[in-house]
Amino acid sequence: SQKIEQNSEALNIQEGKTATLTCNYTNYSPAYLQWYRQDPGRGPVFLLLIRENEKEKRKERLKVTFDTTLKQSLFHITASQPADSATYLCALVSYSSASKIIFGSGTRLSIRP
Amino acid sequence: KAGVTQTPRYLIKTRGQQVTLSCSPISGHRSVSWYQQTPGQGLQFLFEYFSETQRNKGNFPGRFSGRQFSNSRSEMNVSTLELGDSALYLCASSLGDRSDTQYFGPGTRLTVL
Repeated sequence: SQKIEQNSEALNIQEGKTATLTCNYTNYSPAYLQWYRQDPGRGPVFLLLIRENEKEKRKERLKVTFDTTLKQSLFHITASQPADSATYLCALVSYSSASKIIFGSGTRLSIRP
Repeated sequence: KAGVTQTPRYLIKTRGQQVTLSCSPISGHRSVSWYQQTPGQGLQFLFEYFSETQRNKGNFPGRFSGRQFSNSRSEMNVSTLELGDSALYLCASSLGDRSDTQYFGPGTRLTVL
């Protein structure tokens, strides 16, 4: 069955360091992958989208990589700040599965000052 | 532009009752998707409506239904509520292309007693 795993349920890092979150998938052929941020009690907020034919995407302090051979995406936050503390979700959309979007369970990131 | 709005924000129902949740998308957005979020299962796709037609459907029982009106507003209905239906129900709107950014509302917190 199709499966998406975000390897770390929680990640704690020191302010200023780079946070790296992982999203792995199996039995899936994604057309593209998205990353969202969710704060407690609020809906997810879209951050970045990367397509299957793209290796890397950047937006300010954020970087996403997509390796369709490894079936993995990495999400990096450089120069992390306490305000980056939130849950981060990856989501996959495949044109081969009625185009519905499947979310990972999320990684709760805490940045300590 | 006003964001996605959902009403009500909180709801308490008892088993066996039915409930209707409402979602108003961002002006100009024609696609509305509904999701259920629980601590155990994460964010799960319910269905998507585009131009008043259901375009995609997740793996939920027939007790979960929805519709979309000509102004793109959408409603979701859950009949014969079960304790396990307690969750945060999120809707998201987009322009309609599958790669478009989804904008999530704040959610409706449903508690079934």
